[in-house]
Amino acid sequence: QQPVQSPQAVILREGEDAVINCSSSKALYSVHWYRQKHGEAPVFLMILLKGGEQKGHEKISASFNEKKQQSSLYLTASQLSYSGTYFCGTATSGTYKYIFGTGTRLKVLA
Amino acid sequence: DAGITQSPRHKVTETGTPVTLRCHQTENHRYMYWYRQDPGHGLRLIHYSYGVKDTDKGEVSDGYSVSRSKTEDFLLTLESATSSQTSVYFCAISEGGSDIQYFGAGTRLSVL
Repeated sequence: QQPVQSPQAVILREGEDAVINCSSSKALYSVHWYRQKHGEAPVFLMILLKGGEQKGHEKISASFNEKKQQSSLYLTASQLSYSGTYFCGTATSGTYKYIFGTGTRLKVLA
Repeated sequence: DAGITQSPRHKVTETGTPVTLRCHQTENHRYMYWYRQDPGHGLRLIHYSYGVKDTDKGEVSDGYSVSRSKTEDFLLTLESATSSQTSVYFCAISEGGSDIQYFGAGTRLSVL
């Protein structure tokens, strides 16, 4: 089952903050976050693993609530370059089959 | 950029014909994935490989087969293409199962 992302779309002004959520109905081992610009391939942003390990960019942060099976991506002081579609990908313990959400379209305006 | 090459980049084919898409990597990563991307569905896993000749099904594997005879190549075959398989196909690689996935540029396939 696909994780549910919210919101589906968001429009920001430069400098504003945004939060994108990802919820799963299954117990999660890891969560990945990727950003995709129109016509391009998805690009890695963050990895969060059960137990607290994180890998990612300096300017983007994320949280992983294992009990609630949720992850949130925090975009602070947004820039025009943040525009794109954000996907979370989730994997349950014992498998490396990543199931991606349907995406959150984010647009940053000048 | 990770060394991933997908070929062809664009293909138009007719219903009922076989189609093979190739993903080639120069990173020597163990894991390779095939996804399809359609409007409103995001990325959906078709098959993945965790080593040479080791593959497993994803969430939308019906109508697709894969083969991996060498570390660097992962082939996706549509045995008899259907219009519902019109999509953008992405290959991805990762060093470990929960490591960063690096995506290829994608193959746009149209089945008429």
